[in-house]
Amino acid sequence: DAKTTQPPSMDCAEGRAANLPCNHSTISGNEYVYWYRQIHSQGPQYIIHGLKNNETNEMASLIITEDRKSSTLILPHATLRDTAVYYCIVRVEGNQFYFGTGTSLTVIP
Amino acid sequence: SAVISQKPSRDICQRGTSLTIQCQVDSQVTMMFWYRQQPGQSLTLIATANQGSEATYESGFVIDKFPISRPNLTFSTLTVSNMSPEDSSIYLCSGGQGSNEQFFGPGTRLTVL
Repeated sequence: DAKTTQPPSMDCAEGRAANLPCNHSTISGNEYVYWYRQIHSQGPQYIIHGLKNNETNEMASLIITEDRKSSTLILPHATLRDTAVYYCIVRVEGNQFYFGTGTSLTVIP
Repeated sequence: SAVISQKPSRDICQRGTSLTIQCQVDSQVTMMFWYRQQPGQSLTLIATANQGSEATYESGFVIDKFPISRPNLTFSTLTVSNMSPEDSSIYLCSGGQGSNEQFFGPGTRLTVL
């Protein structure tokens, strides 16, 4: 079963930062948090992942709270092409991914 | 990163028939998985495809319905057997190296009439 909960939908103005929250209160000490997005029923696209520390790459930043019970994905300057369903996933010990319902992000012109 | 392709990209099948979906990775990966995505829903893990041994199925999925092969580190197949309209879904495979990120294929869109 998925170990994450996310709001079902969010809107963001084009050019502004999109902050997508995720709760994972039952996460274990060695379980990573991953973020993927899915556009138009294509295969999910990897965005970023982290364990304890905040992470940044060319696509996004990941902020993980100190207690690791929640995290936030930040898209610094959202564009229309960022409209997608965003999934926050906790990778379990066997490396399986159990997807939750995700957040449908709509970037508004 | 790994690039994953799937065949066929889509198919329309008759009730009671079977379809085998192929998943090819452009590099060796230790882990491969199969997922189902029903219309308007999230992805559901079907099974872990184990190289050289029987797949490990998630609750609600059985080998007789979804036999899986994984003969090597770059290839796997999923068969959807004795199909019914309820099997109409997108089927996706993914692959990755151990604890690193998984890469997903584009999916196979299956319609059962």
